[in-house]
Amino acid sequence: ETGVTQTPRHLVMGMTNKKSLKCEQHLGHNAMYWYKQSAKKPLELMFVYNFKEQTENNSVPSRFSPECPNSSHLFLHLHTLQPEDSALYLCASSQPKGTVGGYTFGSGTRLTVV
Amino acid sequence: GQNIDQPTEMTATEGAIVQINCTYQTSGFNGLFWYQQHAGEAPTFLSYNVLDGLEEKGRFSSFLSRSKGYSYLLLKELQMKDSASYLCAAYNNAGNMLTFGGGTRLMVKP
Repeated sequence: ETGVTQTPRHLVMGMTNKKSLKCEQHLGHNAMYWYKQSAKKPLELMFVYNFKEQTENNSVPSRFSPECPNSSHLFLHLHTLQPEDSALYLCASSQPKGTVGGYTFGSGTRLTVV
Repeated sequence: GQNIDQPTEMTATEGAIVQINCTYQTSGFNGLFWYQQHAGEAPTFLSYNVLDGLEEKGRFSSFLSRSKGYSYLLLKELQMKDSASYLCAAYNNAGNMLTFGGGTRLMVKP
């Protein structure tokens, strides 16, 4: 365990479904992130939250909707996804200055869209 | 824009030394991270360089040259458990963002 917990570990959903990914950390970090990891592609930053405020949306389609109710929890709400959205979704957290201790990643949610 | 390049795959022998290179062209650069990721697991922090030079941490060392936009990760006395992907990532201080390269998959053979 890294200190960042993601649930579920695996998710299969249809293109018309609505589902949510959850991320939780109790490391005292105040910055949280969503990354997408597809086969043979670099980790892609999706969203950045600093002190619960979204500070970065890396041109992510609106079918992905993040929510950060407090500094310890981060959600990614999914709806009307496409098969190409199938990937490993990683959550990470850090101090507001990400260089202090680096980012701590969760183990990810393996998403398959059918 | 952000551009980070590293080799896709490398193979090395147990007990040997391997160097994984990374070149970057990024805006707002303020440091270079290396992460290790075993298949199906979370990336884990290995090293962070903000100043030029070599940082040594046990069997792993990392080097940075800011003027050349270049870094490498050096792994000594390779063990089978070192078989993993190694991710190079550039940190942008202004946006508190980490941009990753595609990762280098290292296979250690007996």
